[in-house]
Amino acid sequence: KAGVTQTPRYLIKTRGQQVTLSCSPISGHRSVSWYQQTPGQGLQFLFEYFSETQRNKGNFPGRFSGRQFSNSRSEMNVSTLELGDSALYLCASSLARGAYEQYFGPGTRLTVT
Amino acid sequence: SQQGEEDPQALSIQEGENATMNCSYKTSINNLQWYRQNSGRGLVHLILIRSNEREKHSGRLRVTLDTSKKSSSLLITASRAADTASYFCATSDNYGQNFVFGPGTRLSVLP
Repeated sequence: KAGVTQTPRYLIKTRGQQVTLSCSPISGHRSVSWYQQTPGQGLQFLFEYFSETQRNKGNFPGRFSGRQFSNSRSEMNVSTLELGDSALYLCASSLARGAYEQYFGPGTRLTVT
Repeated sequence: SQQGEEDPQALSIQEGENATMNCSYKTSINNLQWYRQNSGRGLVHLILIRSNEREKHSGRLRVTLDTSKKSSSLLITASRAADTASYFCATSDNYGQNFVFGPGTRLSVLP
């Protein structure tokens, strides 16, 4: 089975712009979660999607949003980018909600200048 | 505040030695998972231990869970240079949701 794929792998944006990141989960996995990783804050949960619905959201401003499509693929969007949004954004998929292992993609490294 | 806290923050050992990392958490959990991350890449799932389990093994990995002390440990035996990575514990609540990662332990295995 192919693993979790994320595109693009690297991105450079300017403050004020918006960005969309994409995640394709492992075939058959229905839950997709997004995380932000920075040296200062570590790994922080952004949101979880299951059956095209956001089920959980972390403590991030409304500039961070996401969606999930009927094929379980997910996108996250960050509007009005700030320098502090520079981070590695990780997507993880799991078979279902609940106590399942999460399988992570390689991440998208976003740099905001 | 983060649910899981790993200890130590960094660990340096020689190849062949054992490495032990600890994780403490604050509230009731459904399960605790350990992940490995190499150099800012994606995380790799290592092992999941449920709240009603006390110990699990996977190859050279041994994980223990003490729910009374709200702590877990990850033991890597006969370490190799390829084990050099950051190791994270992650907990989920009683419903198996609300995943929270600790800050991680950076392990360096010297040849």
